[in-house]
Parts: sequence; structure tokens; C-alpha cells
Amino acid sequence: GQNIDQPTEMTATEGAIVQINCTYQTSGFNGLFWYQQHAGEAPTFLSYNVLDGLEEKGRFSSFLSRSKGYSYLLLKELQMKDSASYLCAVRDLTGFQKLVFGTGTRLLVSP
Amino acid sequence: ETGVTQSPTHLIKTRGQQVTLRCSSQSGHNTVSWYQQALGQGPQFIFQYYREEENGRGNFPPRFSGLQFPNYSSELNVNALELDDSALYLCASSLGPDQPQHFGDGTRLSIL
Repeated sequence: GQNIDQPTEMTATEGAIVQINCTYQTSGFNGLFWYQQHAGEAPTFLSYNVLDGLEEKGRFSSFLSRSKGYSYLLLKELQMKDSASYLCAVRDLTGFQKLVFGTGTRLLVSP
Repeated sequence: ETGVTQSPTHLIKTRGQQVTLRCSSQSGHNTVSWYQQALGQGPQFIFQYYREEENGRGNFPPRFSGLQFPNYSSELNVNALELDDSALYLCASSLGPDQPQHFGDGTRLSIL
């Protein structure tokens, strides 16, 4: 089976750092993706981890531990425009490659 | 801008009708995946097309079908529409089945 868990909602203030966690259980694993989705818009690709460790991309970093089935997305120097849903998705290697998404974490950044 | 375009942007149908949604993939992308996203949920995988062949399917009934054309654009067809089919339908294209997927803006389908 496949199961991806993320917190439903988080709040933070402008300029702060926030960490959004994601745990997963899949029968096959070939990478974990983070997407940002503003209300009413399409998800936009943020990061991709396939090996353990930290991937840094500007203000955003993503970490993966395959043995723990765990990832996090770290957002630094938060800006108001970072208010959005953040979707964790695992690429399942069972038969063919598809993305399995969590329900998303809604982040609200306040002044 | 991802270069993935979907049409129409919004659509209203009634139960029992049929609908066709369209997706133009980003230039050079040969793989298209379709997702259904209900309000407050993450996208759910419907199926994927790679070089005009269905490359995998999620847990959706046969009334959800699709096509991919030689230019790699794609269609999603849904027959016998039900109220629960109301959702945002997302198309994502990629350079290959194992590459990061880039989403279009989606088609918001409402069933009355």
C-alpha cells in the first residue's frame, strides 16, 4: 500500500524559518518531490530527492532519509508570497513510475 | 509558466454527460500524466501516457479514458459523469516517465 502523511496546516511569520515534514510508506520508492500550490493554481515543482541528504535551492531546502521514510522541506526567510499549500509526492516504482501525493500542508505566513 | 497548457479552464456539465479535456505538453516532453484533485486534497493519479501508449493507470474506473497524439498532446475523456467527478483535473508533462513532472493550470470541472 501507499501512505503519505503531512501536517494539514502550519503558520509562521515573515522572515522566519519553517520546516514541513512528510512521512511515507510505499511498496516501491524512486524519489520524493515537493511541489508548491497557490490557491486555484497548478502545483509548481520545488525539489527532488532520490538519495539521502539535503538538497539546497536558494531559500528552499529538502531533506530525505529513505531508511526512515521521512522528508522535510525547509523554507528560510519566509515571505508573504510563500503562503500556499506544499505537496509531498513519492514516485512509486511498482510496475511503472507514478507520483503519489499527500494531501498537502497549507502554510500561512503572517506579517 | 511551465509551458503545459490545458483547455478549457472551466467547464460545467450535468450528470450522465461526457467530457473531453485537452493538454498540450511542454516542448520536448514525451510523457503526460493526468491527475484528479478534489478540494482540499492532493492530486490523485489517473493514468500516464508515454510515446502514445498508456504507461500505467491509477484506481479510476474505465469510464476515464485517454489518448496521446504523435505531437505528445493528450486528451482525458470521462463518460457518464457523476457528481463526485467535480474536481480540478491536472495534466503534467515530463521529459520521460522518470523525470520531474511539470503541471498545467488545470481544468476545473463542475458537475450539476
